[in-house]
Formats: sequence, structure tokens, C-alpha cells
Amino acid sequence: GAVVSQHPSWVICKSGTSVKIECRSLDFQATTMFWYRQFPKQSLMLMATSNEGSKATYEQGVEKDKFLINHASLTLSTLTVTSAHPEDSSFYICSAGQSHRRDTQYFGPGTRLTVL
Amino acid sequence: EDQVTQSPEALRLQEGESSSLNCSYTVSGLRGLFWYRQDPGKGPEFLFTLYSAGEEKEKERLKATLTKKESFLHITAPKPEDSATYLCAVYGGSQGNLIFGKGTKLSVKP
Repeated sequence: GAVVSQHPSWVICKSGTSVKIECRSLDFQATTMFWYRQFPKQSLMLMATSNEGSKATYEQGVEKDKFLINHASLTLSTLTVTSAHPEDSSFYICSAGQSHRRDTQYFGPGTRLTVL
Repeated sequence: EDQVTQSPEALRLQEGESSSLNCSYTVSGLRGLFWYRQDPGKGPEFLFTLYSAGEEKEKERLKATLTKKESFLHITAPKPEDSATYLCAVYGGSQGNLIFGKGTKLSVKP
């Protein structure tokens, strides 16, 4: 399967600061990227879907002004958590796919965010 | 409402003790059921995709089966390295997204 990387793998920040997480598709062109959030002992919850060159589509209950997603190229998507608060502490996982096959997603290794 | 329920929440086995994990689902228009393995602090690792009732797939000690209401992941003679959380996800429904269960945490003791 395709290789997807995330950077950083973990980050600790102070409350009120912003954090950017990168998701890279290393060996294929990802027309679609997905961002998930996973709390301890909970399922992966889809936050948003982004298509290259378009605005992201956010799931119900996810604040688009707080979780900024940019998908400017076929190999890179970024998630910026703005004005982070302790309740944003979670495991953020991206996946990459192609728009005509949304069922086939290649997952990144995840980023652990801790907000103090 | 589209939903995926996995049981048990946790399972502890002795090495060599075979067992099964369950994934029950309700989704309108199932287009695929997926099994993933997730190690602590890592992203999901793809194992299987099943598309229709009656389908079975195998990989080493793992075998996945599918009915119209549920899927089973059978683990034969597990080894300690099989310890992980196993996630089930369905693709379909009104939104056409992957819907995940909470997973089953498997621990295999030597």
C-alpha cells in the first residue's frame, strides 16, 4: 500500500497557541485527504475531508475556523489547530486516497497533541 | 443511523488459544467492511476488505468473514506479536464515509 507520513509525531503546546500538523503522501498523488481524531478508547472520528485545490468539507460539530485544513498539493495536507485548548488534546490521524475510491484510504502514523 | 459495534472491548488470550472478534454493523447500502490493526500510538494498518455476505479472507493467523449483519475476525493460535487493537470500519451509508468501531484490544500472553 501507499505510504503516508505525518509530522510531528507528537507535540505539546500551551493553551491558546496554534499547532500545525502535516500529512504527506509519499508515493502517490492523493486527490483526497481525510483528517480523523481519536480519543482514548474511542473510535476514529472523521473531522473533515479535503480535495486538492478545494475547500475542506467538515463533519457536523467540527469547527472549521478552529481546525484549518489546507490541501494545496497532491502530496501535502495540513491541519492547523488554532487557539488550542486542553480539550483539543487527542490523537490526530490523516489518511490519503483518491476521490473516485473513497473506500481505499492509506493512513498516516498519527500525531499526538497535548495541550497544557 | 449508521453504526459499528465491536465486541468484546478487550480480550486476553494465552498464546495458542484461538478466538474470534465480532463487528456488528447497521449501515444503509454497505459498500465494504474493513479490518485494521492499530498498535499503540500508531495509525491503523490495513488488514482486509470484505464486500459481500459469505466472503472470507485470510492472512497468516487471521481470517475475516462477513454476513449481512456482522463480521468476525478469527485468530488461530495467536502469538504475542498479535497483541494490538483491531478496528472494524464500514464504508457506505448516506455520507459515504468510513465509520469506525471502537476496537477490540487483544492481548496475547506467552
